[in-house]
Amino acid sequence: DAMVIQNPRYQVTQFGKPVTLSCSQTLNHNVMYWYQQKSSQAPKLLFHYYDKDFNNEADTPDNFQSRRPNTSFCFLDIRSPGLGDTAMYLCATSFSPGPKALFGQGTRLTVV
Amino acid sequence: KQEVTQIPAALSVPEGENLVLNCSFTDSAIYNLQWFRQDPGKGLTSLLLIQSSQREQTSGRLNASLDKSSGRSTLYIAASQPGDSATYLCAVNTGSYQLTFGKGTKLSVIP
Repeated sequence: DAMVIQNPRYQVTQFGKPVTLSCSQTLNHNVMYWYQQKSSQAPKLLFHYYDKDFNNEADTPDNFQSRRPNTSFCFLDIRSPGLGDTAMYLCATSFSPGPKALFGQGTRLTVV
Repeated sequence: KQEVTQIPAALSVPEGENLVLNCSFTDSAIYNLQWFRQDPGKGLTSLLLIQSSQREQTSGRLNASLDKSSGRSTLYIAASQPGDSATYLCAVNTGSYQLTFGKGTKLSVIP
């Protein structure tokens, strides 16, 4: 089945130790998004790719970066995680604004 | 700046009751509105998508309505079941690739 897959599902990392989260999709969608959702909060868009074009939200910390080596894969890199980066990270894909965005199951990141 | 509010933050109902979840948004210039379900520690599952030109969408026991001019949407759940227990989020799409989410309503259906 076509879907959005995030790995790992759970990640514990030490304060300041770089971490990479991955997202893959089999839908051939041209837009991929990364959202951050802290406990009991609304998901917040960090950035998105439209094909190879990278779009960073204005208030996304510099600590967060992303790579999209091909249509199917997108990575979220956190260079020096802080305790405040503990959250659920959600990847989503879509063709364009309008149609449904399809979400993955998320990666729960804990920074200790 | 678009803001989305969901009231109540939490709701507890006995099994079998019909219930309504509310969502309001500040900017009526939207492309569509989606309702999502989120189980604890999991990702988001899209339940219903309403385009800006539509008034409602139905899927099984779920019915979502949209009143764009007043900036409101409701999600109606008929004959609630314990398996409906989850957090329900609404999100609006303003056409800038960004979904703006509410914080959600945590629903508990008591057997």
